Amino acid sequence: NFMLTQIHSVSASPGKTVTISCTRSRGSIASNYVQWYQQRPGSSPTNVIFEDDQRPSGVSDRFSGSIDTSSNSASLTISGLKTEDEADYYCQSFDGVNRVFGGGTKLTVL
Amino acid sequence: EVQLVESGGGLVKPGGSLRLSCTASGFTFRSHSMNWVRQAPGKGLEWVASINSGKNYIYYADSVKGRFTVSRDNTKKSLSLQMNSLTAEDTGVYYCARDDFGDLYFDFWGQGTWVTVSS
Repeated sequence: NFMLTQIHSVSASPGKTVTISCTRSRGSIASNYVQWYQQRPGSSPTNVIFEDDQRPSGVSDRFSGSIDTSSNSASLTISGLKTEDEADYYCQSFDGVNRVFGGGTKLTVL
Repeated sequence: EVQLVESGGGLVKPGGSLRLSCTASGFTFRSHSMNWVRQAPGKGLEWVASINSGKNYIYYADSVKGRFTVSRDNTKKSLSLQMNSLTAEDTGVYYCARDDFGDLYFDFWGQGTWVTVSS
């Protein structure tokens, strides 16, 4: 079993770029695809990145994903921040057939 | 338009049972694996259970294994979660979530239904 660790919170100003990381505790981050979900306050989650770096149709190209095997982590980068990006962001991967979520990162845009 | 509508949540005493339902519309239900994901108050997301379209691959999180049962009725386009031996740790919002065709990610989520386990 492994855990996905995310920093609890991050803040940035509108127009800036922010990167949210997700570190896998055991096993290679490249072993299983990583997904990212956005959850705005009071709303259900929505997918913003799948298969490490793929964007679903309809998701802004300001959102990008990557993995880094040297740090065993995945990253979600949001450029040109907007106030509407303020939300909780969760990474998710697989442990065998089970789905594992990171603890979430609260992004504040101020 | 894809829609997933959960129902069946409510207040239940510790040790009690509850059955959640999720009604799907706007897509070919029988073509997708389906999931339950929950979120405790003020906490993060936790995957609960998955069931594939043919109902032959069913998986549970360790935290609910032996207590929860996921099922589906493809003719009625519905997903269910039977929850037994409930504890306070099961309190939270329960989301129904659809898998993409590759069973890799949750591509649509319902609005969730609240479950409160309290005496």
